[in-house]
Amino acid sequence: QQKVQQSPESLIVPEGAMTSLNCTFSDSASQYFAWYRQHSGKAPKALMSIFSNGEKEEGRFTIHLNKASLHFSLHIRDSQPSDSALYLCATSNMGYKLTFGTGTSLLVDP
Amino acid sequence: NAGVIQTPRHKVTGKGQEATLWCEPISGHSAVFWYRQTIVQGLEFLTYFRNQAPIDDSGMPKERFSAQMPNQSHSTLKIQSTQPQDSAVYLCASSLPGGYAEQFFGPGTRLTVL
Repeated sequence: QQKVQQSPESLIVPEGAMTSLNCTFSDSASQYFAWYRQHSGKAPKALMSIFSNGEKEEGRFTIHLNKASLHFSLHIRDSQPSDSALYLCATSNMGYKLTFGTGTSLLVDP
Repeated sequence: NAGVIQTPRHKVTGKGQEATLWCEPISGHSAVFWYRQTIVQGLEFLTYFRNQAPIDDSGMPKERFSAQMPNQSHSTLKIQSTQPQDSAVYLCASSLPGGYAEQFFGPGTRLTVL
């Protein structure tokens, strides 16, 4: 059964800093890798996803995948107080069923 | 587009009572998912419907939990004889057809079992 772990559990960064969030997974057959963001009391919302090894950048956000290391990460450049939220990583090898990590709680200190 | 709608937003039941949670997916989305979120376990997959048909219920506790999708505009999750350990936020999500389509989540129903 797929296991997904995130680190760190929580993180405080100053406004303007680079934030790096990590996710490791156990199933080498995983094909889809995504990050979701959930503000307090709100619905999780997809941030970005990747299928192939390498990196993908969208605005201030970059996702990096290394399948051989069973690891992917999210980097947030110029972190803003509005980025404060719970970040969830998710993987899938079935086309629909997402397996999530337990999340990293990020606080950006203005 | 109102997004995925879930009702009620909060539900409190006594131990042993039944709870029914409702979900209205985004119009045009033929895939509907139910997840459960707790602090300890995180976000866990419960069940998946495609074109109203149940496809995968591997995450559903076999006793007391059931899900249905009687039409394309709503799905229900029913928990019989609720127990304190069922307390969680139950999230519904929907997506367009096709593999690895982005899942859009609703705000969830917070279930508290006293």
